[in-house]
Amino acid sequence: AQTVTQSQPEMSVQEAETVTLSCTYDTSESDYYLFWYKQPPSRQMILVIRQEAYKQQNATENRFSVNFQKAAKSFSLKISDSQLGDAAMYFCAYSSNTGNQFYFGTGTSLTVIP
Amino acid sequence: DTAVSQTPKYLVTQMGNDKSIKCEQNLGHDTMYWYKQDSKKFLKIMFSYNNKELIINETVPNRFSPKSPDKAHLNLHINSLELGDSAVYFCASSQAPGQGLREQYFGPGTRLTVT
Repeated sequence: AQTVTQSQPEMSVQEAETVTLSCTYDTSESDYYLFWYKQPPSRQMILVIRQEAYKQQNATENRFSVNFQKAAKSFSLKISDSQLGDAAMYFCAYSSNTGNQFYFGTGTSLTVIP
Repeated sequence: DTAVSQTPKYLVTQMGNDKSIKCEQNLGHDTMYWYKQDSKKFLKIMFSYNNKELIINETVPNRFSPKSPDKAHLNLHINSLELGDSAVYFCASSQAPGQGLREQYFGPGTRLTVT
């Protein structure tokens, strides 16, 4: 079965600095997607970034980028120039392109220090 | 133009009552989900429907019954509510497997409090 592991329950970063959140996953499939979701105190789940496994190029969305290491089954999220509004719970997620299941990690709570 | 909507957003009720949460998506997705998020923020999938057909039914008490009248709606009915049912319940939708990008779009969540 697929699993998603986030080994950092809590992280903190100084405003304007860079922080990296870790995620590893386990799968025997070759065709899948990986995601990072953000959940601020408002509790809305917001998609931050996605990565298709067949793409070698790391995805980037403004200040958010990923380091996708397919062989190592690692998918970390880098947040540059951290802002107060980045404070939230971040979830890593895995989805097969053929199966129905989504797998979420246990989340990393990010605090941004002014 | 809300993509995935849920009603109500807050629900406070007493033990033993029966309640329903409604979910609607206007994204044209074929697949819809119900998740439970506990106090530790862990997201647990409960059910998934694809084109009104139940495809995932995780180990949840049979007091929970999903109903999908059409592929744009997935409601959750809970009978005989218990204290342990207190949580945030999220509805989500996505493309079906093999149909394109697979990210899930979430509703705003329903915070259920059982007293």
